[in-house]
Amino acid sequence: NAGVTQTPKFQVLKTGQSMTLQCAQDMNHEYMSWYRQDPGMGLRLIHYSVGAGITDQGEVPNGYNVSRSTTEDFPLRLLSAAPSQTSVYFCASSTGTGGYNSPLHFGNGTRLTVT
Amino acid sequence: DAKTTQPNSMESNEEEPVHLPCNHSTISGTDYIHWYRQLPSQGPEYVIHGLTSNVNNRMASLAIAEDRKSSTLILHRATLRDAAVYYCILRDVSKGGSEKLVFGKGTKLTVNP
Repeated sequence: NAGVTQTPKFQVLKTGQSMTLQCAQDMNHEYMSWYRQDPGMGLRLIHYSVGAGITDQGEVPNGYNVSRSTTEDFPLRLLSAAPSQTSVYFCASSTGTGGYNSPLHFGNGTRLTVT
Repeated sequence: DAKTTQPNSMESNEEEPVHLPCNHSTISGTDYIHWYRQLPSQGPEYVIHGLTSNVNNRMASLAIAEDRKSSTLILHRATLRDAAVYYCILRDVSKGGSEKLVFGKGTKLTVNP
């Protein structure tokens, strides 16, 4: 059972480049989310999804797009990378209905550097 | 959305108990209290959760105040591997899992040998 898989683990981009951070889960979880973590800032929610076809904004959505075409995948897109997006990105998933009683499962993160 | 407040940092000695506090004075009756921890260079991991009653599992205990406006995560015998950032968050059962889950900065626990 793989759990939550994030790829790539490391990525270096130049300002203005685009890329997609991949997140996949094999637990049939309805709830998926993306967080970024900067030094001293804790985890900040970027976007989240409560099921296929449904997404919503978190605390810091600007500069990021998401889509949820399948239950398993929740990719995070950076259309034009900026140095301010240098961070560690974590994807998490949880069961939807009754999610209050189900823990969040986190991936191992993607460390992104934008130069 | 109800918010939580935690101290920025705490220190403990190895093999001593640790009590990590969390205030959630605006908690609603449908909010569950969840705790996570993040070891260095890893993603967060689930520790424990509860609603009203105290809870125990192999990792820790959760003590919830009678008025539910605060809770305490208890590590009975801290080890060096418990050094991590601990997060307290609320999950609203009435949202059916659709809530916006917000983590704060958490409490950084240092364990001294």
